Amino acid sequence: QVQLQESGPGLVQPSQTLSLTCTVSGGSIKNFYWAWIRQPPGKGLEWIGYIYYSGPTKYNPSLKSRVTVSLDTSRNQVSLRLTSVTAADTAVYFCASLVRSNYFDPWGQGTLVTVSS
Amino acid sequence: EVVLTQSPATLSLSPGERATLSCRASQSVSDYLAWYQQKPGQAPRLLIYDASNRATGIPARFSGSGSGTDFTLTISSLEPEDFAVYYCQQRSNWALTFGGGTKVEIK
Repeated sequence: QVQLQESGPGLVQPSQTLSLTCTVSGGSIKNFYWAWIRQPPGKGLEWIGYIYYSGPTKYNPSLKSRVTVSLDTSRNQVSLRLTSVTAADTAVYFCASLVRSNYFDPWGQGTLVTVSS
Repeated sequence: EVVLTQSPATLSLSPGERATLSCRASQSVSDYLAWYQQKPGQAPRLLIYDASNRATGIPARFSGSGSGTDFTLTISSLEPEDFAVYYCQQRSNWALTFGGGTKVEIK
């Protein structure tokens, strides 16, 4: 069973870049789609983007201009970069595998990122 | 973008009762719809995919139905561990969206 673990700074200053890493164990990142999802405190879920090793990268249109999702095959990691952050980007960020090209399973435990000065 | 509307926002029920949750799509998503359960402080867990297929390890009391624009998640008899927030999710073309969630709380 694939397991995922998010990591990165818990606090980011406004206008800076949020950078997170998802380390995958139990399987190669070359074999699956990988996605990022976020959840503001007390609110619902929002898909950020997904990537496939040999395919296209797709982003939520509402975030597309600020988001980059990438793979590091040597480290079996999936990365997220979100530029020009504001308080509205404060959320728990999850990484997940995208199965059957449609659904998120499994998920990492998530990491809280707060945007504040 | 396909918008998913879940109802009701909150469902107050007792253990042993039947729960019926609704998810309506703004346009047809065929049967490309999933349901997730999320408990406080935890990541969501996939329950149902392709509208009616239970994910690995999901108890038989959870069932999904529907196609096109109207979908239902049914929990036949609520167990104490089923009180949580439930989200539906779809993929249309290459974009994925979630519904706003239904909280199933203890009455």
